[in-house]
Amino acid sequence: DAGVTQSPTHLIKTRGQQVTLRCSPKSGHDTVSWYQQALGQGPQFIFQYYEEEERQRGNFPDRFSGHQFPNYSSELNVNALLLGDSALYLCASSAMTGTGSYEQYFGPGTRLTVT
Amino acid sequence: LAKTTQPISMDSYEGQEVNITCSHNNIATNDYITWYQQFPSQGPRFIIQGYKTKVTNEVASLFIPADRKSSTLSLPRVSLSDTAVYYCLVGDGRYSSASKIIFGSGTRLSIRP
Repeated sequence: DAGVTQSPTHLIKTRGQQVTLRCSPKSGHDTVSWYQQALGQGPQFIFQYYEEEERQRGNFPDRFSGHQFPNYSSELNVNALLLGDSALYLCASSAMTGTGSYEQYFGPGTRLTVT
Repeated sequence: LAKTTQPISMDSYEGQEVNITCSHNNIATNDYITWYQQFPSQGPRFIIQGYKTKVTNEVASLFIPADRKSSTLSLPRVSLSDTAVYYCLVGDGRYSSASKIIFGSGTRLSIRP
């Protein structure tokens, strides 16, 4: 089992540009969540996708958008990049357990640097 | 939203037992308590999850008192490779409530030889 995979590993962009990050969930997982983690901080929830629709959203502007494909993989798009968007972007996949709780499995992340 | 409070940092030595306590005074009835471990430039790794009393797996134990307003992650016989940031999360265990899962700043654990 490959676990959660993300691409690319690192990315450097210029202010104002657009970026697309990709995520493949763990086998058997149908839900993908995206997080932004600034240096020295805990991950901040961006949004979650299930059945190809955005189901929940954190406190992030509309510049952040996403998509989920029929194979459950997902993309995170960020438009009009700002210097403050520099961070580690984490993808997590999950599936409900038999007890009704769920465990999230995180990918290695994509390090985005905006100059 | 249930907020958690953890020590910013802790130090210990190889072979010792380490206990990290997390406060979550306004935990809700449906909330589960989950701990993650994170190494630099890597995604968080699930360690353990519980609702009440004690939960044990192959890497850690989680102790939750009856009032559930705090929890303690116990790492037995730590090694240098346990040096990492540990996050305590409290959130609705129902599948549909991921947006209510909030990561705090975590506890930076440093293990010395």
